[in-house]
Amino acid sequence: EIVLTQSPGTLSLSPGERATLSCRASESVSSSYLAWYKQKHGQAPRLLIYGASSRATGIPDRFSGSGSGTDFTLTISRLEPEDFAVYYCQQYGSSPETFGQGTKVEFK
Amino acid sequence: EVQLVQSGAEVKKPGDSLKISCKSSGYSFTTYWIGWVRQMPGKGLEWMGTIYPDDSNTKYSPSFQGQVTISADKSITTAYLQWRSLKASDTAMYYCARGSWGSSPNTHRFDPWGQGTLVTVSS
Repeated sequence: EIVLTQSPGTLSLSPGERATLSCRASESVSSSYLAWYKQKHGQAPRLLIYGASSRATGIPDRFSGSGSGTDFTLTISRLEPEDFAVYYCQQYGSSPETFGQGTKVEFK
Repeated sequence: EVQLVQSGAEVKKPGDSLKISCKSSGYSFTTYWIGWVRQMPGKGLEWMGTIYPDDSNTKYSPSFQGQVTISADKSITTAYLQWRSLKASDTAMYYCARGSWGSSPNTHRFDPWGQGTLVTVSS
């Protein structure tokens, strides 16, 4: 199975700053089938990005995804208070689908 | 509006059986896969398995094969996750989520998600 490693584990930032989250795969992700999810404390995950770079319905354009092969990035251009959460990447290019361990974006 | 509404929290003893549910509405239930994802306390997300309700074709993660059973009832647009004999290590939040459209996809991104069902197993 494909192992996804996210870095950093925790990102300490202030509102208005730029956040850059990394997701590295142990082997190439087929067809860039890489998704990003946001999970606020006590809530279910929500899909942000699919196909490495396509925003899901209703997701603001401050969220962007990029990358291919084994290296992927989620960028939040200007952090809003509601963006402080845990972010997970998921590959769905091959079975079993796997998730990264998460990156927590916290208030500095 | 697409919605997945899960059954309420459960407290069980080791060895008990359990079946939790996920009621879907707002879309064609039979033509989208439904997946289940586990989140143990303070931990990340783990894909357990996915079912195609139209024909009940089911795929399991190797980590969960034989440990749980996923099923669906088209008549009431509801998917299920069940255990025959719970262990303390099954204590977790369990989420259902809608997967891809159509019978062909083998793998899935998930959107939207249910609110989660907390299962606590303790003697």
